[in-house]
Amino acid sequence: EAGVTQFPSHSVIEKGQTVTLRCDPISGHDNLYWYRRVMGKEIKFLLHFVKESKQDESGMPNNRFLAERTGGTYSTLKVQPAELEDSGVYFCASSRAGNEKLFFGSGTQLSVL
Amino acid sequence: GNSVTQMEGPVTLSEEAFLTINCTYTATGYPSLFWYVQYPGEGLQLLLKATKADDKGSNKGFEATYRKETTSFHLEKGSVQVSDSAVYFCALGEGFNKFYFGSGTKLNVKP
Repeated sequence: EAGVTQFPSHSVIEKGQTVTLRCDPISGHDNLYWYRRVMGKEIKFLLHFVKESKQDESGMPNNRFLAERTGGTYSTLKVQPAELEDSGVYFCASSRAGNEKLFFGSGTQLSVL
Repeated sequence: GNSVTQMEGPVTLSEEAFLTINCTYTATGYPSLFWYVQYPGEGLQLLLKATKADDKGSNKGFEATYRKETTSFHLEKGSVQVSDSAVYFCALGEGFNKFYFGSGTKLNVKP
């Protein structure tokens, strides 16, 4: 079966611009998660969708970040306007149920210059 | 709150050497503990897990034991291979797949 797919794999933008990251979970996986790793430090939880609903968005850093999952399939994470400290690797992950094995995508490397 | 601390890398070893990557945690409650691995160009993959104190997780020759008394979950392998070169993340699980990860330890294994 196809894995979790993230687009783009790399994005380089200037401070103040807008970037949208996309995640396609494994088909049939209702649970979708966003994580990010900033400055080579720990990977931090951002939020969790169950189908199209936000189950937990306690990790979202501020209101410049907007995550959506219309229709409960793919998800997008928009950063507007991007700041230098947003640079890092953004990982998406999915699971069939909330307590089942989590499958990660290979991440989007975001560089804000 | 929950947090994970793991040893800084990179760790460079020769093939067949013994590997230890230290991981300690702080937690409220009784979390599950995990090791994830990220090979170059790939996403994180679950390597092993332990769900309660004194459990030992194992996979592909790697082992880790959930030590509540020392709040540790150190990763070990008796004989590493070049193919084990990757970044290893220790993690604590809360609720439904909400993880607290460490900062990762890069392992380089030389032939």
